[in-house]
Amino acid sequence: QKEVEQNSGPLSVPEGAIASLNCTYSDRGSQSFFWYRQYSGKSPELIMFIYSNGDKEDGRFTAQLNKASQYVSLLIRDSQPSDSATYLCASYTGTASKLTFGTGTRLQVTL
Amino acid sequence: DAGITQSPRHKVTETGTPVTLRCHQTENHRYMYWYRQDPGHGLRLIHYSYGVKDTDKGEVSDGYSVSRSKTEDFLLTLESATSSQTSVYFCAILGNSGNTIYFGEGSWLTVV
Repeated sequence: QKEVEQNSGPLSVPEGAIASLNCTYSDRGSQSFFWYRQYSGKSPELIMFIYSNGDKEDGRFTAQLNKASQYVSLLIRDSQPSDSATYLCASYTGTASKLTFGTGTRLQVTL
Repeated sequence: DAGITQSPRHKVTETGTPVTLRCHQTENHRYMYWYRQDPGHGLRLIHYSYGVKDTDKGEVSDGYSVSRSKTEDFLLTLESATSSQTSVYFCAILGNSGNTIYFGEGSWLTVV
């Protein structure tokens, strides 16, 4: 079992809809979680991070963390074609200084 | 932007030759990481460093070595390159606040 799991997709949503991206993790020692967006041929760029249970909002993006269920999600409201990319979930375990990534979910926003 | 630069950005090399990739940062970050990214596997940790001369292995460290003789540079060496090491290599840095990860632009390596 991979430490961080994501559905590879592609996840297809129409323009203007809400895209929901999910991630589960196995290490209960994980302390922080990150969402990255990666366009083809480019390096990952940080969208947001979360470390407390509940929701965290930043513009059109909302990250949700449920430590009891070991589940992290990213909601993208009013999806745009420019949001079409691969979204990477990552967990950070401070005691081991480890950053562990999921394989990413490819999002396609259709016109 | 953590002032990260990777070099070389693109390299083609022959099987059996040694290759060194360099990650350079300008903001005195303590933690540095080397990842490789391959289709279907996502980003996999090769080695990481938590200080000068302090390094540890990641999940795919076989065939790779690293060195960190000064804070700003983290070197990844393929002692004898193989075709299975054809990949995109990313250097990453954990921000000192512990809540931001910065990536370099990537190094595309092809082993023929």
